[in-house]
Amino acid sequence: HLVESGGGLVEPGGSLRLSCAASGFTFRNAFMNWVRQAPGKGLEFIGRIKSKSFGETPEYAAPVRGRFTVSRDDSTNTLYLQMNSLKTEDTAMYYCTTDSIVVAGTWAFDIWGQGTMVSVS
Amino acid sequence: DIVMTQAPLSSPVTLGQPASISCRSSQSLVHSDGNTYLSWLHQRPGQPPRLLIYKISNRFSGVPDRFSGSGAGTDFTLKISRVEAEDVGVYYCMQATQFPQTFGQGTKVEIK
Repeated sequence: HLVESGGGLVEPGGSLRLSCAASGFTFRNAFMNWVRQAPGKGLEFIGRIKSKSFGETPEYAAPVRGRFTVSRDDSTNTLYLQMNSLKTEDTAMYYCTTDSIVVAGTWAFDIWGQGTMVSVS
Repeated sequence: DIVMTQAPLSSPVTLGQPASISCRSSQSLVHSDGNTYLSWLHQRPGQPPRLLIYKISNRFSGVPDRFSGSGAGTDFTLKISRVEAEDVGVYYCMQATQFPQTFGQGTKVEIK
């Protein structure tokens, strides 16, 4: 179970931090991802963070690299997305999703939250 | 980045009839470990995506057996043997063989 929060309306150049609360699985072992979807558009992967045993390394897609930061707190089972220098093109529904939790080794996004909407205007 | 191209982008289908969606990648999705990390997701209007198929042809938990995946290398197909009303929405293929993961543009399935 994943529940995102923190979305809202922000001006261009502003910042926002999204949270994703996880439950029902061993969060500390999970690779966690953020995927976004602009209104009426398709899905876009934006970043992920590996589990602590894999170095807790964050990785980013090019459009957000240097502006967005993915982090995690395994003590509270929470994933974060810090978004800085926001642009109008960052307007989207932001989803957190797990990687290979239900079936190990699939490298598929198997659990999705309901999403939180970010509007940059 | 690997580009994923789906066809068709829209597919009007009759209830009870089959549907097929193609997904082509700009390079082979065979990983150095021998696996092909190609999955299919379904998104109903107003809902988050949900996983249907992983590693080309494996149905995810709870997915009806009318859904099947096939393909290899750069060419993949999702088939619905008999479309039901709950199958409407947008279908996406996604590759995870190479970072960053990338999605197809989506194929909208609607009932005629």
